[in-house]
Amino acid sequence: RKEVEQDPGPFNVPEGATVAFNCTYSNSASQSFFWYRQDCRKEPKLLMSVYSSGNEDGRFTAQLNRASQYISLLIRDSKLSDSATYLCVVNIAGDMRFGAGTRLTVKP
Amino acid sequence: DGGITQSPKYLFRKEGQNVTLSCEQNLNHDAMYWYRQDPGQGLRLIYYSQIVNDFQKGDIAEGYSVSREKKESFPLTVTSAQKNPTAFYLCATGQPYEQYFGPGTRLTVT
Repeated sequence: RKEVEQDPGPFNVPEGATVAFNCTYSNSASQSFFWYRQDCRKEPKLLMSVYSSGNEDGRFTAQLNRASQYISLLIRDSKLSDSATYLCVVNIAGDMRFGAGTRLTVKP
Repeated sequence: DGGITQSPKYLFRKEGQNVTLSCEQNLNHDAMYWYRQDPGQGLRLIYYSQIVNDFQKGDIAEGYSVSREKKESFPLTVTSAQKNPTAFYLCATGQPYEQYFGPGTRLTVT
């Protein structure tokens, strides 16, 4: 079983839609959690950290469920510029473990 | 401008040749990392260095070597022993809790 698993997609949604991604992790000792965004053929960039209480940054909301070992990312009012691959990242004792990513395409 | 630079952006080599990928940072971070990304897979850690003159193997170090003679520089050599070297190579720096990536080098070996 992979340490970090994501649905690869692709998710194809119209502009203005709400879309949600889930990510599951296998190691219960995981300490911290992140979502990174990666544009096509570019480097990953930190989108947001995920806190136990859940956190929101504009149109983006991240949630953590430690009991079920999954994290989620919700994007409201999708924009064309949101098209990218979203990587789920879990920190286990200082080691960053990356999911393979979920690809999102937002269409006009 | 503070940041991480990697060069070249694209690199082509013949099988059997060693090749060195450059990574430089001016963020004054102690830790530096090398990852490899293949289609459909998450980033995998090759090597990392927490301090000058010290480095550790990651999950897939076989066929690779590194050096860390200066804080700013962490070059990666892909040796001929690496069986599947064609990939997107990403250098990163920062803390384990937040990493900043360079633009990457896309290596193709034929």
